[in-house]
Amino acid sequence: AQSVTQPDIHITVSEGASLELRCNYSYGATPYLFWYVQSPGQGLQLLLKYFSGDTLVQGIKGFEAEFKRSQSSFNLRKPSVHWSDAAEYFCAVAPNDYKLSFGAGTTVTVRA
Amino acid sequence: GAVVSQHPSWVICKSGTSVKIECRSLDFQATTMFWYRQFPKQSLMLMATSNEGSKATYEQGVEKDKFLINHASLTLSTLTVTSAHPEDSSFYICSASRRTSQSREQYFGPGTRLTVT
Repeated sequence: AQSVTQPDIHITVSEGASLELRCNYSYGATPYLFWYVQSPGQGLQLLLKYFSGDTLVQGIKGFEAEFKRSQSSFNLRKPSVHWSDAAEYFCAVAPNDYKLSFGAGTTVTVRA
Repeated sequence: GAVVSQHPSWVICKSGTSVKIECRSLDFQATTMFWYRQFPKQSLMLMATSNEGSKATYEQGVEKDKFLINHASLTLSTLTVTSAHPEDSSFYICSASRRTSQSREQYFGPGTRLTVT
């Protein structure tokens, strides 16, 4: 069975600093990969997704993610964090069907 | 585009009663809808997958007689929590998907907070 691991439960960054959120998956083939963001009381918003092709994917809100097959990773990055980026971030994978498996999530706190 | 709504956004009910939550795709036809449950500070757990016009497929450990799912049209799915108990209190989130050959993207609703007293 596939699994998704987000090693960092909570990350605190200063506004303007860079951010990297880690995501590792366990699956026999390359699944479809996603990053979602959830603000308090809100639904999930898709930041970016990877299906195939260029392994560096650009998303909304200045986020990008890099797929590394050799490491089974799909880490999310942002060069300069804004206070509005404080939220819960979920990595998700979808293997052969349309079901998403989510990681446990990483809470991002932004300090002034 | 691709907006999904849920109603109600928040509901309190007494133990033993039933609660219905609606999930609507507002600007597209959703051939597949998904229902998730999220506990505080935890991830989303898939409860069931429903395709329009057919019975829902429940994940292992989810009681299908307790969580009734109906997907009667391409824009509406409902989740009914029957004989609710305090342990059913949770955040329920739906999502909708357009089946295309290129995308497995799901569009999520804002969620429904259920509190059973």
